[in-house]
Amino acid sequence: DIVMTQSPNSLAVSLGERATINCKSSQSVFWTSNNLNYLAWYQQKGGQPPKVLFYWASTRQSGVPDRFSGSGSGTDFTLTISSLQAEDAAVYYCQQYYSLPLTFGGGTRVEI
Amino acid sequence: EAQVAESGGGLVQPGGSLRISCVASGFPMSGHWMGWVRQAPGRGPEWVATIKRDGSETMYVDSVKGRFTISRDNAQNSVFLEMNSLRAEDTAVYHCVTLQNTNYGWFDPWGQGTRVTVSS
Repeated sequence: DIVMTQSPNSLAVSLGERATINCKSSQSVFWTSNNLNYLAWYQQKGGQPPKVLFYWASTRQSGVPDRFSGSGSGTDFTLTISSLQAEDAAVYYCQQYYSLPLTFGGGTRVEI
Repeated sequence: EAQVAESGGGLVQPGGSLRISCVASGFPMSGHWMGWVRQAPGRGPEWVATIKRDGSETMYVDSVKGRFTISRDNAQNSVFLEMNSLRAEDTAVYHCVTLQNTNYGWFDPWGQGTRVTVSS
């Protein structure tokens, strides 16, 4: 199984500041045949299901503000919120879809 | 708008059975792999099961193999999860999910979930 490890577990960021969340996979999720990283990012707010932010590591889902960005390749990935807004307080998860079982990271809680 | 909605959760004793359902709306479910993802209290999501568009293939996380069965009825735009021999560790909110990019994909949309509690 591919283990997804996120860091930090939580972080407190001031409004307007940058937030950086890291996700590391226990093996590469990069598929050389199509040059794609099989990684997604989700945001989960209290009492709600997760909502996809990025897929293919850096392809932004429609409607996601451009202050969010996804980057990385192979085993190391980053979700960045360039200028934190109050509505960004949530738990963020990464997920690999390179192989079964599909697995998630443990989550990073972002607080204002 | 594409949506999925679950039903059928509840309280069940250890060793018992439960069947949860999901109805999709706003999109042709027959064109998508569908699945279930659960989230135990205070924990991250865990993929549980996936079923191919025509129902001909199913996949499960090891911890539920032999106990859970995923099925679908495309005519009713519905997906089901039959859960047997339930254990305390199966307690979670179960979300119906639509897989994007075949069975190796991300989940969108998610349903609000149905809560399953396994306790005596």
